[in-house]
Amino acid sequence: GENVEQHPSTLSVQEGDSAVIKCTYSDSASNYFPWYKQELGKRPQLIIDIRSNVGEKKDQRIAVTLNKTAKHFSLHITETQPEDSAVYFCALGTGAGSYQLTFGKGTKLSVIP
Amino acid sequence: EAGVVQSPRYKIIEKKQPVAFWCNPISGHNTLYWYLQNLGQGPELLIRYENEEAVDDSQLPKDRFSAERLKGVDSTLKIQPAELGDSAVYLCASSLGAGTGSGNTIYFGEGSWLTVV
Repeated sequence: GENVEQHPSTLSVQEGDSAVIKCTYSDSASNYFPWYKQELGKRPQLIIDIRSNVGEKKDQRIAVTLNKTAKHFSLHITETQPEDSAVYFCALGTGAGSYQLTFGKGTKLSVIP
Repeated sequence: EAGVVQSPRYKIIEKKQPVAFWCNPISGHNTLYWYLQNLGQGPELLIRYENEEAVDDSQLPKDRFSAERLKGVDSTLKIQPAELGDSAVYLCASSLGAGTGSGNTIYFGEGSWLTVV
């Protein structure tokens, strides 16, 4: 099955700085790459996703880039704020219409005021 | 619109006892997932339903875990008997489902937190 590695496992940044989290994978059939944010004790919530026919997608301070050749994708958060502090998970999906996601181990982001 | 609803939110049981978790997906969502999340880890798929059919249960420990989705809406996940290592968060999720076009977002419930003592 799919395997996804996520780095770093923890990340501390000063408020206002940028944060980058990277995931690498091995299954070239993967075609859906979502990122989830999970606050302590809460549900994972989708913050942005990208499909294999797109190289980059941006939504306000959040962006995701995909390099299918190198089999990696990254989450970029600019102008970080304390409320961005959470655990972020990348995931892989394969198929069409109904995805089965394989998750990374997560990155705990701490934004220091 | 209500999200994915799970109950109970928290459950503490003694080992060897049975436990059941219930999930009500988002209205109209045909695909339902049960995920297991251990502390400090990402969610891991246990089972996926397309309507009433379990299309992938390869990661479900069938000796003690069972699941059902009888009418293609609500689902129940059962553990019997529970072991200490089953302590985790059991997440239910749903999406629109196969045949509805690509890119169906998967929405998670708040999870059922199980502690086995």
